[in-house]
Amino acid sequence: GAVVSQHPSWVICKSGTSVKIECRSLDFQATTMFWYRQFPKQSLMLMATSNEGSKATYEQGVEKDKFLINHASLTLSTLTVTSAHPEDSSFYICSATRRGSATSYEQYFGPGTRLTVT
Amino acid sequence: DAKTTQPTSMDCAEGRAANLPCNHSTISGNEYVYWYRQIHSQGPQYIIHGLKNNETNEMASLIITEDRKSSTLILPHATLRDTAVYYCIVRASGGSYIPTFGRGTSLIVHP
Repeated sequence: GAVVSQHPSWVICKSGTSVKIECRSLDFQATTMFWYRQFPKQSLMLMATSNEGSKATYEQGVEKDKFLINHASLTLSTLTVTSAHPEDSSFYICSATRRGSATSYEQYFGPGTRLTVT
Repeated sequence: DAKTTQPTSMDCAEGRAANLPCNHSTISGNEYVYWYRQIHSQGPQYIIHGLKNNETNEMASLIITEDRKSSTLILPHATLRDTAVYYCIVRASGGSYIPTFGRGTSLIVHP
């Protein structure tokens, strides 16, 4: 099956620093990638939609200048949390869309990245 | 995309069948029913999907009612490793779909 990886799997950083999280589709080209954030005991909240070569579309309430998304290729998207603060501590998950057939698109999720800001 | 309603939590005994319901009364004709699960501190995992026929794979069975307004995910022999949050999502198959998640059902499988 299709595989999506994330790196790092966990990271601890100091308040005020920036952290980059990578999302890769390992064996397919992703038409679209999505970034989610998940706080403890809550569901996944969509942050942004990313298409290769174009600017990301952010959900309402998500600061685009704080959460920088770069989708450099059909297999790689990065999320940079700039000037991180403790309230940014969360579980960040990416997903990638693969075209399964002429009419179906399948969604594959990465394993997630646990960010802790101290 | 149609909205779904799931029970907040369920539990079942190890080795027994786990039946997880989902209501999607506003589903439209071109929308599929998808099920994912999320084990603690992991990314969501695809389980199964269907349009109107019942489906079965190595993980689970999906039973969709004839009017398509509800469905049931069946884990035939639940194990402790099936403890997870299960999400029922209704979506069209086209590429413009943006996946969003509700609260899901927290399934606890106990010994």
